[in-house]
Amino acid sequence: DAGVIQSPRHEVTEMGQEVTLRCKLISGHNSLFWYRQTMMRGLELLIYFNNNVPIDDSGMPEDRFSAKMPNASFSTLKIQPSEPRDSAVYFCASSLTGNQPQHFGDGTRLSIL
Amino acid sequence: AQTVTQSQPEMSVQEAETVTLSCTYDTSESDYYLFWYKQPPSRQMILVIRQEAYKQQNATENRFSVNFQKAAKSFSLKISDSQLGDAAMYFCAYRSGWYSGGGADGLTFGKGTHLIIQP
Repeated sequence: DAGVIQSPRHEVTEMGQEVTLRCKLISGHNSLFWYRQTMMRGLELLIYFNNNVPIDDSGMPEDRFSAKMPNASFSTLKIQPSEPRDSAVYFCASSLTGNQPQHFGDGTRLSIL
Repeated sequence: AQTVTQSQPEMSVQEAETVTLSCTYDTSESDYYLFWYKQPPSRQMILVIRQEAYKQQNATENRFSVNFQKAAKSFSLKISDSQLGDAAMYFCAYRSGWYSGGGADGLTFGKGTHLIIQP
């Protein structure tokens, strides 16, 4: 079975540009999580969805960040406009039910110049 | 809010020896889950082991085992017969047992321990 698929694997762009990160959940999973990893702050939960509904977005750093689930198997995380301090590895993870472990994608390394 | 603390930024162990990574957490909840994730240089996040708080028995997965002390809020990972492939960052993580909207809650991670295996 295919795991969580994230794209792109690497993204380099200039400050001020819009960035869109993509995530395909494992088939049948109903929970979706976005995390950010930096040296300074470690791994942080940004937002998560259950059954396509955003449950907690308190980790989203600013209004420049937005996340959507247009359908049950796909999610996007958008940053507009991007800033150098947004540079990080962004992970998407999905899980099946409440007590099942989360499966992570390989992450997107984002560099904002 | 829950917090997870890993007090060892880096640990080193000889190949074939045993090493223990420490993790403590703070929560007011009684129902929760604890995890250890491994992150090799490839940056994948790989689940190593999980523990349900309501279970008294410590979880084991082959060479990996945990020492779960609920009253002390401690959750250490023991790696036996260390292998070169065990070299990685190890993250301890907490998740509430409360389910939001029919799904799951997010993970709270510690800062990680960098494990070095000496050949």
